[in-house]
Amino acid sequence: EVQLVESGGALVQPGGSLRLSCAGSGFTFSNYWMTWVRQAPGKGLEWVANIKQDGSEKHHVDSRFTISRDNAENSLYLQMNGLRAEDTAVYYCAGGGAAGWWGQGTLVTVSS
Amino acid sequence: DIQMTQSPSSLSASVGDRVTITCRASQGIRNDLGWYQQKPGKAPKRLIYAASSLQGGVPSRFSGSGSGTEFTLTISSLQPEDFATYYCLQYNNYPYTFGQGTKLEIK
Repeated sequence: EVQLVESGGALVQPGGSLRLSCAGSGFTFSNYWMTWVRQAPGKGLEWVANIKQDGSEKHHVDSRFTISRDNAENSLYLQMNGLRAEDTAVYYCAGGGAAGWWGQGTLVTVSS
Repeated sequence: DIQMTQSPSSLSASVGDRVTITCRASQGIRNDLGWYQQKPGKAPKRLIYAASSLQGGVPSRFSGSGSGTEFTLTISSLQPEDFATYYCLQYNNYPYTFGQGTKLEIK
């Protein structure tokens, strides 16, 4: 069974940093682009970043965020720096560059 | 950035109805478009990719069409489990962008 499990969401103060993780299983992780998408409370979906299979190509919607991956560990990461209140959201990991399958999400709350 | 405009933003319909949701792109995106369904408190689920290809396991009452700047998602006969919010996503140009969503409610 294809599975994506996010972790690392937390309450963080404005200006702080956080690293999200996503563990993939049930598919050959290294064969797929991987994606992060977020959803602020009561709002729509926002594409955040994606990364090529070998990590050689990355795209981000915001330069404060950095996507990375470890294919040996079947893991995807999102490093978030300089967090703001408007970054408060559920962050989803998704398989494929165009988000073909999704994890259950992890909540990031930015507040003092 | 490419803007994706979905219409309508909300829609009331009955079980058995045929429903169409439209997504318009601010510039041509070939057929690089997906449709997603999201139920409250759940992760989105992709229904359609490449504008008209049905994702595996998705019922055939869902269909997608379009190319260039105008796209549609059609549900041929609404079932109770279809009441949800639907989003389109363009993946032709970075940054990828979602439509604002269409909330489909029971009439």
